[in-house]
Amino acid sequence: LAKTTQPISMDSYEGQEVNITCSHNNIATNDYITWYQQFPSQGPRFIIQGYKTKVTNEVASLFIPADRKSSTLSLPRVSLSDTAVYYCLVGDGSGGSYIPTFGRGTSLIVHP
Amino acid sequence: DTGVSQDPRHKITKRGQNVTFRCDPISEHNRLYWYRQTLGQGPEFLTYFQNEAQLEKSRLLSDRFSAERPKGSFSTLEIQRTEQGDSAMYLCASSLVPPSSDTQYFGPGTRLTVL
Repeated sequence: LAKTTQPISMDSYEGQEVNITCSHNNIATNDYITWYQQFPSQGPRFIIQGYKTKVTNEVASLFIPADRKSSTLSLPRVSLSDTAVYYCLVGDGSGGSYIPTFGRGTSLIVHP
Repeated sequence: DTGVSQDPRHKITKRGQNVTFRCDPISEHNRLYWYRQTLGQGPEFLTYFQNEAQLEKSRLLSDRFSAERPKGSFSTLEIQRTEQGDSAMYLCASSLVPPSSDTQYFGPGTRLTVL
């Protein structure tokens, strides 16, 4: 199982860029990296997914170095509504069977 | 696309009672996952289905828990003889593999309180 490690919490201010790093030292060849956002009393929401290098969508960027042992979620110009818990999940994206293992996530608090 | 739905949203029961939760995945999604989440923790995997086949089940899952997905569409999770420690949010997620790399879409969850 690919275990992930993230900072427990982070603080930022509105308008700043926030980078959350996840370590996954034993990532396997078929594993993809997926980030989710979760608000209290709601299910997690998909943010972004990648395999290597850089992926960007309308809400975030994901940076993955060549060794793939870590990944960084980048949120540009955060607002108060980005206050949430962020999880990285590493899992088999090839269609094989695996057990998704979420960590405790990173609690991001955005201040005015 | 109506998203993943779960029913009920909240359930209060007494210790020793049985409860059943339902999950309706996104139409055409072949994978369906069940998770349990307690305060301050990430979602904990319970089991998942590929169509109607239950492919993985957590070794932490007590025999009191059982899940079904009889026709490869909706799924039910039953907890027998509930205990106070079963109080948690139960989350369902679905995905389509292939072509996606198991991008999971979560429902709103069912909050279980065992008195």
